[in-house]
Amino acid sequence: EADIYQTPRYLVIGTGKKITLECSQTMGHDKMYWYQQDPGMELHLIHYSYGVNSTEKGDLSSESTVSRIRTEHFPLTLESARPSHTSQYLCASSERLRGRDSDEQFFGPGTRLTVL
Amino acid sequence: AQSVTQLGSHVSVSEGALVLLRCNYSSSVPPYLFWYVQYPNQGLQLLLKYTTGATLVKGINGFEAEFKKSETSFHLTKPSAHMSDAAEYFCAVSDNFGNEKLTFGTGTRLTIIP
Repeated sequence: EADIYQTPRYLVIGTGKKITLECSQTMGHDKMYWYQQDPGMELHLIHYSYGVNSTEKGDLSSESTVSRIRTEHFPLTLESARPSHTSQYLCASSERLRGRDSDEQFFGPGTRLTVL
Repeated sequence: AQSVTQLGSHVSVSEGALVLLRCNYSSSVPPYLFWYVQYPNQGLQLLLKYTTGATLVKGINGFEAEFKKSETSFHLTKPSAHMSDAAEYFCAVSDNFGNEKLTFGTGTRLTIIP
């Protein structure tokens, strides 16, 4: 069973606040990802990391930032939340195992963010 | 660039009937293809994946999908729907260069009619 955790699960916050969405995995995976998912829409990759001190922007531009100081931890931060940031944020991790073509991404339960 | 098109944002089938969820992809390189399922208030769970080899792929919960290169399709099927299959289903594609970056379709919400 995948062990990837996200906190908080739900967050309602006012405009202008700084927030950090937490994501942790206990599988020792090098690769981690953040996706943004709006209702009825596909998931869009906003950030990814291939290991400690590695972070890259994804396909969808985002005002959020990420850090990867420890293998198991990949937090996402919004310095000043706005209503346009209201969405669901999903964290995932994966590991390329030797001899395998590809490995699946394991997803956390998501954080549903509402900015008033 | 890669893209995924899922035909039908909502599909309803009767319990016991065939489930067919359609997925077409576009990729300039041989693709890796995935189907994920999302239950309410949960993350995504992998149903099945195609990388290389046999084009008919079997997954969990009785689902299977067939990779058809000539049709650029990867449709998901299940012979007999169960109430517990009600969920959102996402088709996704990645390239085979090993970066595991996924491009998702918009999803299909499956409703099972008792």
